[in-house]
Amino acid sequence: KAGVTQTPRYLIKTRGQQVTLSCSPISGHRSVSWYQQTPGQGLQFLFEYFSETQRNKGNFPGRFSGRQFSNSRSEMNVSTLELGDSALYLCASSLVTGRANTEAFFGQGTRLTVV
Amino acid sequence: GQQVMQIPQYQHVQEGEDFTTYCNSSTTLSNIQWYKQRPGGHPVFLIQLVKSGEVKKQKRLTFQFGEAKKNSSLHITATQTTDVGTYFCAGCKKTSYDKVIFGPGTSLSVIP
Repeated sequence: KAGVTQTPRYLIKTRGQQVTLSCSPISGHRSVSWYQQTPGQGLQFLFEYFSETQRNKGNFPGRFSGRQFSNSRSEMNVSTLELGDSALYLCASSLVTGRANTEAFFGQGTRLTVV
Repeated sequence: GQQVMQIPQYQHVQEGEDFTTYCNSSTTLSNIQWYKQRPGGHPVFLIQLVKSGEVKKQKRLTFQFGEAKKNSSLHITATQTTDVGTYFCAGCKKTSYDKVIFGPGTSLSVIP
């Protein structure tokens, strides 16, 4: 079974531009979470979607947004890019059974560089 | 808000030495997960602990969940160079759904 797929793998953008990243979860997984990872900062939670609804949101400015489609694929958008947005953006999907999350499966990530 | 802390942030060990990372939550958790991220890779699930006081082993790795379900530890016996990476704990807080909070991770270096 295919894993979590994130596209693109690498991206270079200029300050002020906007970017859209895509995540296709494992088939059957309805929960998709996004994380920002920078050196020494661990995994900073951005948001989680379940059945097209944002269930939880981290402490990021409104420039960071996301959505989930009916097929569970998710996108995140960052507008008005800043140099500090350069990071590895990871998407994770999980199979939600009842009210309990199971393990999260991470994609390879999208490496965003803002110049 | 809920926080999950990990110590140490970095650990350098000689190959063959033991290694332990500790995870602490400010609130009681419904369960805890551990992940490993190799350099240049993405986090990969290792294990999930659910019961108070639970201990699980995977070869040289031993995972514990505290009695109060607020802390956990990962112990590696006789480290190998293949153990290099960052180990994250992820605490699951039960609300109307399980909210997962990742700790900042412990980066392990193994000197051959």
